Amino acid sequence: GQSLEQPSEVTAVEGAIVQINCTYQTSGFYGLSWYQQHDGGAPTFLSYNALDGLEETGRFSSFLSRSDSYGYLLLQELQMKDSASYFCAVRDEAGFQKLVFGTGTRLLVSP
Amino acid sequence: NAGVTQTPKFQVLKTGQSMTLQCAQDMNHNSMYWYRQDPGMGLRLIYYSASEGTTDKGEVPNGYNVSRLNKREFSLRLESAAPSQTSVYFCATHRVPETQYFGPGTRLLVL
Repeated sequence: GQSLEQPSEVTAVEGAIVQINCTYQTSGFYGLSWYQQHDGGAPTFLSYNALDGLEETGRFSSFLSRSDSYGYLLLQELQMKDSASYFCAVRDEAGFQKLVFGTGTRLLVSP
Repeated sequence: NAGVTQTPKFQVLKTGQSMTLQCAQDMNHNSMYWYRQDPGMGLRLIYYSASEGTTDKGEVPNGYNVSRLNKREFSLRLESAAPSQTSVYFCATHRVPETQYFGPGTRLLVL
């Protein structure tokens, strides 16, 4: 079966850098996605890695190593508004446009 | 553009009551999804629809039915609500290659 593992919680201070890791198990891999969800809000798409390497989008970067079945989300210059839950996701093994989500990492940014 | 809209935002039901959650999108996406999210949990897929006229079960379909009324609308029905169905329900659409857009959610409490 498929599974994704993320730390349940990460804490950091404003201005710092934090890395949220995700390891996955899946028989058919199409890429790793990241979503952000603020308390009471809906998940919003952050990034998608289909190939190995680093993808940068402003303060956020996402990395993928397919050989290690591992990826991470890197948040730089942390701001209070980055306090949220972050979910990694992979496509369902059947290959259709269904995503399987990890249980999420709660990031708490303190002053 | 409204994106993905859901109604109602909040609902309280008594055990055994029925209700329909509505979802509509104006992004012209073919695929639509219904997820549930329980406290501290990731998103679990209830049903999805690859295109108008087709629906299929996800990970947790028991107790739910869906209708893909047209390309824009995808509804979720609880025929006989149970306390275990207390959750936040999100509707989503999919844009290739791998981005899902979520509605604001419906918070359901079953007493």
